[in-house]
Amino acid sequence: DAGVTQSPTHLIKTRGQQVTLRCSPKSGHDTVSWYQQALGQGPQFIFQYYEEEERQRGNFPDRFSGHQFPNYSSELNVNALLLGDSALYLCASSPRGGGIEKLFFGSGTQLSVL
Amino acid sequence: GIQVEQSPPDLILQEGANSTLRCNFSDSVNNLQWFHQNPWGQLINLFYIPSGTKQNGRLSATTVATERYSLLYISSSQTTDSGVYFCARGSQGNLIFGKGTKLSVKP
Repeated sequence: DAGVTQSPTHLIKTRGQQVTLRCSPKSGHDTVSWYQQALGQGPQFIFQYYEEEERQRGNFPDRFSGHQFPNYSSELNVNALLLGDSALYLCASSPRGGGIEKLFFGSGTQLSVL
Repeated sequence: GIQVEQSPPDLILQEGANSTLRCNFSDSVNNLQWFHQNPWGQLINLFYIPSGTKQNGRLSATTVATERYSLLYISSSQTTDSGVYFCARGSQGNLIFGKGTKLSVKP
């Protein structure tokens, strides 16, 4: 079992650009959540997807959008990048109806915006 | 909004020492989780502990929900215990994290 896999591991962009991050959930999981972790902070919830729809959303602007595919994998898109978007982006997967104890996290994508 | 506060923010230990990490939360909680973030960024589940006490090897955790706090105990620390420890409470299917305790264990 490969667990939760994220790609790429590192990414460098410039202000104003757009970025797409990818996540494959753990086998048997159909729900994907995304978190942003700024340096020295705890992760913050961005949104959650299952059945290919956004089900919950944290306090993030519309520049942050996502998608879930029929195979349960997911993408996080960020438009018009700002310097403040530099962070570690973590993907977590869980089985539907599973509690927080069933969340598994990937190793993240480190995004640097210059 | 819901607040999760962790203390201390930083902790340096000599290998073999014991430590206690604390997590306070601002409202009643019926689910709480402790994580260890390794140097590569991955969050590893340690304990799901909405109440009571659990132990796993050298680690144990206690949550007193009525007093809104949880403690993580690390005994006989090893250099591999280094990293950041987070507590997080569940809220409508997602997690609210504290800022973490950065633990450095020196050989």
